[in-house]
Amino acid sequence: DQQVKQNSPSLSVQEGRISILNCDYTNSMFDYFLWYKKYPAEGPTFLISISSIKDKNEDGRFTVFLNKSAKHLSLHIVPSQPGDSAVYFCAASEPFAGTASKLTFGTGTRLQVTL
Amino acid sequence: EPEVTQTPSHQVTQMGQEVILRCVPISNHLYFYWYRQILGQKVEFLVSFYNNEISEKSEIFDDQFSVERPDGSNFTLKIRSTKLEDSAMYFCASSFQGQSTDTQYFGPGTRLTVL
Repeated sequence: DQQVKQNSPSLSVQEGRISILNCDYTNSMFDYFLWYKKYPAEGPTFLISISSIKDKNEDGRFTVFLNKSAKHLSLHIVPSQPGDSAVYFCAASEPFAGTASKLTFGTGTRLQVTL
Repeated sequence: EPEVTQTPSHQVTQMGQEVILRCVPISNHLYFYWYRQILGQKVEFLVSFYNNEISEKSEIFDDQFSVERPDGSNFTLKIRSTKLEDSAMYFCASSFQGQSTDTQYFGPGTRLTVL
């Protein structure tokens, strides 16, 4: 049951260029989307998020775009730096009738920024 | 900056043994979660916890699993009788609120190896 998909398992980008990571989802009930960055042997680190009522959110070098009609979001990193090399996970959550909403993760995209 | 901590970083156990994974969530957070990631697979939700009760659990979280908040700071995941397929990275997360629009912050994980 792949409600969140990241179809590119890996991406290689030159330092200084733009990195674009993509994510698709199928569950129309998702109302919040997050990107996490993960280094080996570490936990996911929150990077940036976007609510379903917006189509863009920007934080420094990181911008997330949401296209609800296409059920697609993307993370843009400009300019890319070698320290950005990591696995990036897209995650989504939906309102829950209980008290805590879980995250549904994609499979991740490994970004390598080369010199 | 406040962070989620987990101990131990690596746990090796024999099949059939009980293990307890420990987490200290961010101090003013009220909602707690466990996720796991089997090698090469996506991060999967296990359970959410609020006000000393399980809020939601996945189908993975069967009777062999239990969670507890034994005091005001710790949050534990117990696997009663470990199986080989329980080998994975286990991540604890916490959030201030449990709404779908609230960001969850993750710990560094515990690598569980079942022999």
